[in-house]
Amino acid sequence: AQSVTQLDSQVPVFEEAPVELRCNYSSSVSVYLFWYVQYPNQGLQLLLKYLSGSTLVKGINGFEAEFNKSQTSFHLRKPSVHISDTAEYFCAVDRGSTLGRLYFGRGTQLTVWP
Amino acid sequence: DTGVSQDPRHKITKRGQNVTFRCDPISEHNRLYWYRQTLGQGPEFLTYFQNEAQLEKSRLLSDRFSAERPKGSFSTLEIQRTEQGDSAMYLCASSSEYTNTGELFFGEGSRLTVL
Repeated sequence: AQSVTQLDSQVPVFEEAPVELRCNYSSSVSVYLFWYVQYPNQGLQLLLKYLSGSTLVKGINGFEAEFNKSQTSFHLRKPSVHISDTAEYFCAVDRGSTLGRLYFGRGTQLTVWP
Repeated sequence: DTGVSQDPRHKITKRGQNVTFRCDPISEHNRLYWYRQTLGQGPEFLTYFQNEAQLEKSRLLSDRFSAERPKGSFSTLEIQRTEQGDSAMYLCASSSEYTNTGELFFGEGSRLTVL
């Protein structure tokens, strides 16, 4: 079975501060890992993904994430956030047997204050 | 560039009524997915089509739910005899098996409120 845990439901930060959104997963098989972002009144948009290869992956808008197999984590980071980064962020895993069947975490609401 | 479109965006209905949602995927995508998102939760997989074939259904998809994709293009999701617990955002996503990047392209969702 799959589960995805996003440890923080809300993360408030000030503009230009660094941020880390945490994601842990449980799986007995190799997985593909994703971060999606949902801006207000918009659909989910892919930020970045890990399918294979380098464990440090870079995405859009200056975000990056590191896949850590031993800790079963895929934390999302940005060194300096902007007010426009305010959104809900979802971590998701795909077991690969049915590509596109994603198991999502509950989401982390990132709020960036001026 | 037309993305995934869903209609209607909002639906309010009374308990016991039937509702139908439509999803138009990105035109070159042959895979189509339905997810459901309730308040405070991440999206949950409901079902998946490759072309016109429905290849997988979640246990969440009770007998009151039916999804179709008759010509391998748009899809409909019908909920019969709606219950208050069906209130949620219904998300549609599409992808192409030929690019196989794992990325899903989501629509903006159809929000259902059952009174």
